[in-house]
Amino acid sequence: AQKITQTQPGMFVQEKEAVTLDCTYDTSDPSYGLFWYKQPSSGEMIFLIYQGSYDQQNATEGRYSLNFQKARKSANLVISASQLGDSAMYFCAMREGGTGGFKTIFGAGTRLFVKA
Amino acid sequence: GAGVSQSPSNKVTEKGKDVELRCDPISGHTALYWYRQSLGQGLEFLIYFQGNSAPDKSGLPSDRFSAERTGGSVSTLTIQRTQQEDSAVYLCASSLNLVGLAGYEQYFGPGTRLTVT
Repeated sequence: AQKITQTQPGMFVQEKEAVTLDCTYDTSDPSYGLFWYKQPSSGEMIFLIYQGSYDQQNATEGRYSLNFQKARKSANLVISASQLGDSAMYFCAMREGGTGGFKTIFGAGTRLFVKA
Repeated sequence: GAGVSQSPSNKVTEKGKDVELRCDPISGHTALYWYRQSLGQGLEFLIYFQGNSAPDKSGLPSDRFSAERTGGSVSTLTIQRTQQEDSAVYLCASSLNLVGLAGYEQYFGPGTRLTVT
Protein backbone atom coordinates (compact mmCIF):
# COMPACT_ATOMS: atom_id res chain seq x y z
CA ALA A 1 0.00 0.00 0.00
CA GLN A 2 1.05 3.57 -0.60
CA LYS A 3 2.52 5.42 2.35
CA ILE A 4 4.21 8.77 2.80
CA THR A 5 6.06 9.67 5.97
CA GLN A 6 7.26 13.10 7.03
CA THR A 7 8.92 12.76 10.39
CA GLN A 8 9.59 16.43 11.11
CA PRO A 9 6.50 18.21 12.42
CA GLY A 10 8.42 21.48 12.59
CA MET A 11 11.74 22.85 11.41
CA PHE A 12 13.58 26.09 12.04
CA VAL A 13 16.13 27.60 9.67
CA GLN A 14 18.05 30.84 9.63
CA GLU A 15 17.36 33.15 6.72
CA LYS A 16 19.77 32.57 3.80
CA GLU A 17 20.70 29.09 4.99
CA ALA A 18 19.72 25.82 3.34
CA VAL A 19 17.25 23.39 4.88
CA THR A 20 16.27 19.80 4.13
CA LEU A 21 12.77 18.51 4.70
CA ASP A 22 12.54 14.75 4.96
CA CYS A 23 10.14 12.47 3.13
CA THR A 24 10.11 8.70 2.86
CA TYR A 25 7.64 6.67 0.92
CA ASP A 26 6.52 3.14 0.34
CA THR A 27 5.03 1.63 -2.79
CA SER A 28 5.16 -1.59 -4.74
CA ASP A 29 4.44 0.13 -8.04
CA PRO A 30 7.59 0.68 -10.13
CA SER A 31 6.00 3.72 -11.77
CA TYR A 32 5.25 6.60 -9.46
CA GLY A 33 5.66 10.31 -9.09
CA LEU A 34 6.73 12.29 -6.07
CA PHE A 35 5.61 15.85 -5.47
CA TRP A 36 6.25 18.61 -2.99
CA TYR A 37 3.69 21.29 -2.22
CA LYS A 38 3.88 24.43 -0.11
CA GLN A 39 0.92 25.66 1.88
CA PRO A 40 1.33 29.17 3.31
CA SER A 41 -0.93 30.43 6.06
CA SER A 42 -3.33 31.65 3.37
CA GLY A 43 -4.22 28.00 2.76
CA GLU A 44 -3.49 27.70 -0.95
CA MET A 45 -1.53 24.67 -2.14
CA ILE A 46 1.41 25.60 -4.33
CA PHE A 47 3.20 23.01 -6.43
CA LEU A 48 6.97 23.16 -5.99
CA ILE A 49 8.69 20.23 -7.64
CA TYR A 50 8.16 16.79 -9.18
CA GLN A 51 10.32 13.67 -9.43
CA GLY A 52 9.42 10.65 -11.52
CA SER A 53 10.47 7.19 -10.42
CA TYR A 54 12.35 6.61 -13.68
CA ASP A 55 14.08 9.96 -13.71
CA GLN A 56 17.84 9.53 -13.57
CA GLN A 57 18.63 12.97 -12.27
CA ASN A 58 17.38 14.79 -9.20
CA ALA A 59 14.76 17.40 -9.99
CA THR A 60 15.55 21.06 -9.47
CA GLU A 61 13.34 24.14 -9.67
CA GLY A 62 15.08 27.36 -8.77
CA ARG A 63 15.94 27.24 -5.06
CA TYR A 64 14.19 23.88 -4.67
CA SER A 65 15.84 20.55 -5.32
CA LEU A 66 14.68 17.05 -4.61
CA ASN A 67 17.21 14.61 -3.21
CA PHE A 68 15.85 11.38 -4.67
CA GLN A 69 17.32 8.20 -3.22
CA LYS A 70 15.31 5.44 -4.82
CA ALA A 71 16.86 2.51 -2.98
CA ARG A 72 16.17 4.19 0.34
CA LYS A 73 12.74 5.33 -0.83
CA SER A 74 13.40 8.87 0.20
CA ALA A 75 12.57 12.13 -1.57
CA ASN A 76 13.84 14.94 0.58
CA LEU A 77 13.23 18.56 -0.38
CA VAL A 78 16.18 20.92 -0.16
CA ILE A 79 15.52 24.64 -0.05
CA SER A 80 18.61 26.73 -0.60
CA ALA A 81 19.08 30.31 0.57
CA SER A 82 15.94 30.33 2.72
CA GLN A 83 13.77 33.42 2.65
CA LEU A 84 11.24 34.66 5.18
CA GLY A 85 8.51 33.93 2.64
CA ASP A 86 9.43 30.26 2.75
CA SER A 87 7.77 29.95 6.15
CA ALA A 88 4.87 27.59 5.49
CA MET A 89 3.70 23.99 5.68
CA TYR A 90 5.36 21.66 3.22
CA PHE A 91 3.74 18.45 2.04
CA CYS A 92 5.31 15.52 0.28
CA ALA A 93 2.98 13.51 -1.93
CA MET A 94 3.08 10.41 -4.10
CA ARG A 95 1.02 9.16 -6.96
CA GLU A 96 1.29 5.68 -8.43
CA GLY A 97 1.15 5.58 -12.19
CA GLY A 98 0.42 1.93 -12.77
CA THR A 99 -2.27 -0.20 -11.23
CA GLY A 100 -2.73 2.28 -8.43
CA GLY A 101 -4.42 4.64 -10.83
CA PHE A 102 -4.06 8.30 -10.03
CA LYS A 103 -4.77 8.27 -6.34
CA THR A 104 -2.42 10.68 -4.61
CA ILE A 105 -1.53 10.47 -0.97
CA PHE A 106 0.04 13.20 1.12
CA GLY A 107 2.29 13.15 4.13
CA ALA A 108 1.36 14.86 7.38
CA GLY A 109 3.50 17.86 6.51
CA THR A 110 6.39 19.78 7.97
CA ARG A 111 5.98 23.32 9.20
CA LEU A 112 9.01 25.41 8.31
CA PHE A 113 9.87 28.54 10.23
CA VAL A 114 12.46 30.87 8.70
CA LYS A 115 14.14 33.17 11.24
CA ALA A 116 15.46 36.62 10.37
CA GLY B 1 -6.12 31.48 -17.63
CA ALA B 2 -8.60 30.73 -14.88
CA GLY B 3 -7.53 28.38 -12.16
CA VAL B 4 -9.56 25.88 -10.19
CA SER B 5 -12.51 27.47 -8.49
CA GLN B 6 -14.60 26.18 -5.62
CA SER B 7 -17.85 27.32 -4.13
CA PRO B 8 -18.88 28.24 -1.60
CA SER B 9 -15.70 29.45 0.04
CA ASN B 10 -17.27 29.02 3.45
CA LYS B 11 -20.25 26.98 4.55
CA VAL B 12 -21.74 26.76 8.01
CA THR B 13 -24.42 24.15 8.43
CA GLU B 14 -26.31 22.48 11.20
CA LYS B 15 -25.67 18.89 12.11
CA GLY B 16 -27.90 16.59 10.12
CA LYS B 17 -28.26 18.85 7.09
CA ASP B 18 -27.00 17.97 3.63
CA VAL B 19 -24.39 20.10 1.87
CA GLU B 20 -23.10 20.35 -1.69
CA LEU B 21 -19.64 21.57 -2.52
CA ARG B 22 -18.78 22.55 -6.07
CA CYS B 23 -15.54 22.44 -8.01
CA ASP B 24 -14.80 23.95 -11.42
CA PRO B 25 -11.54 22.54 -12.75
CA ILE B 26 -9.18 24.14 -15.19
CA SER B 27 -10.55 23.82 -18.71
CA GLY B 28 -9.12 20.78 -20.46
CA HIS B 29 -8.01 19.00 -17.31
CA THR B 30 -9.33 15.48 -17.45
CA ALA B 31 -8.55 14.48 -13.88
CA LEU B 32 -10.21 15.94 -10.81
CA TYR B 33 -9.48 15.20 -7.17
CA TRP B 34 -11.20 15.86 -3.87
CA TYR B 35 -9.31 16.06 -0.61
CA ARG B 36 -10.20 16.89 2.95
CA GLN B 37 -7.91 18.79 5.28
CA SER B 38 -8.77 18.96 8.94
CA LEU B 39 -7.31 21.75 11.05
CA GLY B 40 -3.54 21.44 11.26
CA GLN B 41 -3.52 18.14 9.40
CA GLY B 42 -2.35 16.86 6.05
CA LEU B 43 -4.55 16.18 3.07
CA GLU B 44 -6.81 13.16 3.10
CA PHE B 45 -7.61 11.76 -0.33
CA LEU B 46 -11.33 11.30 -0.90
CA ILE B 47 -11.95 10.51 -4.56
CA TYR B 48 -10.68 11.20 -8.03
CA PHE B 49 -12.33 11.37 -11.44
CA GLN B 50 -10.90 10.51 -14.80
CA GLY B 51 -13.36 12.17 -17.11
CA ASN B 52 -16.75 11.49 -15.58
CA SER B 53 -15.90 8.19 -13.97
CA ALA B 54 -14.49 7.66 -10.51
CA PRO B 55 -12.21 4.59 -10.58
CA ASP B 56 -11.24 4.96 -6.94
CA LYS B 57 -13.79 5.87 -4.29
CA SER B 58 -11.91 4.19 -1.49
CA GLY B 59 -11.15 7.43 0.30
CA LEU B 60 -14.73 8.43 0.92
CA PRO B 61 -15.13 8.28 4.72
CA SER B 62 -18.66 6.88 4.75
CA ASP B 63 -21.72 6.33 2.61
CA ARG B 64 -22.87 9.81 3.56
CA PHE B 65 -20.28 11.13 1.12
CA SER B 66 -20.81 11.00 -2.62
CA ALA B 67 -19.43 12.83 -5.62
CA GLU B 68 -20.25 13.19 -9.25
CA ARG B 69 -18.79 14.87 -12.27
CA THR B 70 -20.68 15.82 -15.38
CA GLY B 71 -19.49 16.75 -18.84
CA GLY B 72 -15.92 16.06 -17.82
CA SER B 73 -15.94 19.38 -16.04
CA VAL B 74 -17.78 20.49 -12.90
CA SER B 75 -17.82 18.18 -9.90
CA THR B 76 -20.04 18.18 -6.86
CA LEU B 77 -19.19 16.61 -3.51
CA THR B 78 -22.28 15.92 -1.44
CA ILE B 79 -22.29 15.19 2.26
CA GLN B 80 -25.57 13.94 3.63
CA ARG B 81 -26.65 14.20 7.27
CA THR B 82 -23.54 16.17 8.19
CA GLN B 83 -21.75 15.44 11.44
CA GLN B 84 -19.42 17.67 13.43
CA GLU B 85 -16.46 15.53 12.44
CA ASP B 86 -17.11 16.51 8.83
CA SER B 87 -15.88 20.03 9.65
CA ALA B 88 -12.78 20.63 7.54
CA VAL B 89 -11.49 22.38 4.46
CA TYR B 90 -12.45 20.49 1.32
CA LEU B 91 -9.94 20.98 -1.46
CA CYS B 92 -10.41 20.22 -5.11
CA ALA B 93 -7.58 19.84 -7.61
CA SER B 94 -7.36 19.15 -11.30
CA SER B 95 -4.63 17.97 -13.60
CA LEU B 96 -3.80 16.76 -17.04
CA ASN B 97 -3.54 13.00 -16.94
CA LEU B 98 -2.24 10.76 -19.60
CA VAL B 99 -2.72 7.06 -19.04
CA GLY B 100 0.44 5.45 -17.75
CA LEU B 101 2.16 8.67 -16.73
CA ALA B 102 2.35 9.80 -13.16
CA GLY B 103 3.99 13.13 -13.57
CA TYR B 104 1.30 15.71 -13.87
CA GLU B 105 1.03 18.27 -11.14
CA GLN B 106 -2.27 19.00 -9.53
CA TYR B 107 -3.58 22.55 -9.45
CA PHE B 108 -5.56 23.23 -6.33
CA GLY B 109 -8.56 25.40 -5.74
CA PRO B 110 -8.85 27.68 -2.71
CA GLY B 111 -11.00 25.19 -0.82
CA THR B 112 -14.35 25.25 0.90
CA ARG B 113 -14.27 25.62 4.66
CA LEU B 114 -17.12 23.56 6.07
CA THR B 115 -18.23 24.06 9.64
CA VAL B 116 -20.89 21.79 11.09
CA THR B 117 -22.47 23.17 14.25
